[in-house]
Amino acid sequence: AQRVTQPEKLLSVFKGAPVELKCNYSYSGSPELFWYVQYSRQRLQLLLRHISRESIKGFTADLNKGETSFHLKKPFAQEEDSAMYYCALATGGTSYGKLTFGQGTILTVHP
Amino acid sequence: DAGITQSPRHKVTETGTPVTLRCHQTENHRYMYWYRQDPGHGLRLIHYSYGVKDTDKGEVSDGYSVSRSKTEDFLLTLESATSSQTSVYFCAIRGLAGEEQFFGPGTRLTVL
Repeated sequence: AQRVTQPEKLLSVFKGAPVELKCNYSYSGSPELFWYVQYSRQRLQLLLRHISRESIKGFTADLNKGETSFHLKKPFAQEEDSAMYYCALATGGTSYGKLTFGQGTILTVHP
Repeated sequence: DAGITQSPRHKVTETGTPVTLRCHQTENHRYMYWYRQDPGHGLRLIHYSYGVKDTDKGEVSDGYSVSRSKTEDFLLTLESATSSQTSVYFCAIRGLAGEEQFFGPGTRLTVL
């Protein structure tokens, strides 16, 4: 069965510092990975999808199939980046579009 | 916001009472999902639907049932609410372009 692990429950950095939120997955097939962000008491929003290789709000994430990782990075964190971040895995095929989520990482960016 | 609404947004109920949460979408999407969000557990899938009257269980379906009689509405029912079902419930739809999902605003349920 597929699994997503986000090893850090909490991550604190200072404004302007680099930040990396870790995500590891286990899946034997060809994965599709996402990062979602949830600002305080709001709905989850899609931040990034690996297939589009885009940069949103300064965040990037690269799929490393050898290390089965999809870490989220930003070179200079901002206070408005403080939020809950979820990594999610889609396995496609006959899975009816189901996503498997990690436990989430709460990022706090201090001024 | 992908045209997804949830009602009610907040509810306090007592143990043993039935509760129904509603998810409504205006996008005519085929796939819909119910999740619960709990600290330390992330989001866990309760039930999902792949069409009208087509539903199946997720990983934490015990104590929950769903119904989808129309494309736009997906109902989640707690048969007899327990304190362990105190949580934030999110509905989601699957996008048309790929595997990504779009979420509703959530329902905060407290079972006393």
